[in-house]
Amino acid sequence: EAGVTQFPSHSVIEKGQTVTLRCDPISGHDNLYWYRRVMGKEIKFLLHFVKESKQDESGMPNNRFLAERTGGTYSTLKVQPAELEDSGVYFCASSQQGAFSMNTEAFFGQGTRLTVV
Amino acid sequence: DAKTTQPPSMDCAEGRAANLPCNHSTISGNEYVYWYRQIHSQGPQYIIHGLKNNETNEMASLIITEDRKSSTLILPHATLRDTAVYYCIVLLHNAGNMLTFGGGTRLMVKP
Repeated sequence: EAGVTQFPSHSVIEKGQTVTLRCDPISGHDNLYWYRRVMGKEIKFLLHFVKESKQDESGMPNNRFLAERTGGTYSTLKVQPAELEDSGVYFCASSQQGAFSMNTEAFFGQGTRLTVV
Repeated sequence: DAKTTQPPSMDCAEGRAANLPCNHSTISGNEYVYWYRQIHSQGPQYIIHGLKNNETNEMASLIITEDRKSSTLILPHATLRDTAVYYCIVLLHNAGNMLTFGGGTRLMVKP
């Protein structure tokens, strides 16, 4: 069974440009999470989808970030326009049921390393 | 969710048991203790979790004190590949809940 896959693995863009990150969760997983780790800081929650609906987007830093999950399958995270402080590693995770409501674990992808120059 | 405290770093000799402590003195009765790890720049990986009983799986053992204010993750025979940052997280089993990562413990397994 394929795990959580993220694309691209690395992205280098200039300040002001747009970047779109993609996450394919494990098939059948309704819950999809985005996290990010900015250099030298802790891994921070960004948002949570249940199927195609945003359950919690309290961690989204500002309105330059837009996440979608059309059809409840894969998700995209767009940063527009990108700023230097957006550099970091963006992780996606998925879980089968309402995460942590029934002893389920979250499976993480390998992350996308974003560098804004 | 209750906050956790972990030592920032630990060393362990290869082949020996690695015992990683975690304090969670404000844990509530229905909060679980989870352990994840992040190896180098990979995504975090689930290890184990428990409520109040000790737990064991193919990766590790989790020992939770009777008062539940602290726990210890035990890697019985640490290998070089276990070098990673280990995160202790407590949270409610609640639909929509998410992991909150702290600083973790950087475990260095040495030959």
